[in-house]
Amino acid sequence: QLQLQESGPGLVKPSETLSLTCTVSGGSISSSSVHWGWIRRPPGKGLEWIGSIYYSGTTYYNPSLKGRVTISVDTSKNQFSLKLSSVTAADTAVYYCVEYYNSLGFFDLWGRGTLVTVSS
Amino acid sequence: QTVVTQEPSFSVSPGGTVTLTCGLSSGSVSTTYYPSWYQQTPGQAPRTLIYNTNTRSSGVPDRFSGSILGNKAALTITGAQADDESDYYCVLYMGSGISVFGGGTKLTVL
Repeated sequence: QLQLQESGPGLVKPSETLSLTCTVSGGSISSSSVHWGWIRRPPGKGLEWIGSIYYSGTTYYNPSLKGRVTISVDTSKNQFSLKLSSVTAADTAVYYCVEYYNSLGFFDLWGRGTLVTVSS
Repeated sequence: QTVVTQEPSFSVSPGGTVTLTCGLSSGSVSTTYYPSWYQQTPGQAPRTLIYNTNTRSSGVPDRFSGSILGNKAALTITGAQADDESDYYCVLYMGSGISVFGGGTKLTVL
């Protein structure tokens, strides 16, 4: 059974870079039909799509975050990662990694989420 | 920039039927936007309910259904239950690998 698990620091200082990793278990990250993505939910706000990646390395990013976001994939470790630079308190959120069916534009399997707080 | 719109809140009586909608700030929603719907309860990860307008995700009861109503996508819940009280989000696919969330609807069952 496919599972996703986020990992990374729960506290990041303002102006620094937020880094998270998602480990895919029970299946291959190199599946031809699936992309992999990141979504976040700030406290008291709604869900926001951050971006996604295909195992080949092709990426898509939310235009509102473009320039600060980098998503990468490591097929040898069955992992993909998120880096968000120059963070502010507005980037405090629960971050979810997801299995994304790009051809139909929907998110299928979700990780449990990890809270990242931006604070000095 | 295109905004995906949802009712901020809605209420339904236990056993009742409710339809939540998902629109665009400019233009009409059609099946070409591949609307999908997600349910999130506090402290939990979101759960996928509907994709590709009207396809239920695995394990989702048939009380949940998706459709296009007029110029919006719609999620209808029939026979509402107490544990349907959640936040509901729609997503529209804008093409070029980009998906956009609506602001979410807080559904109260009372």
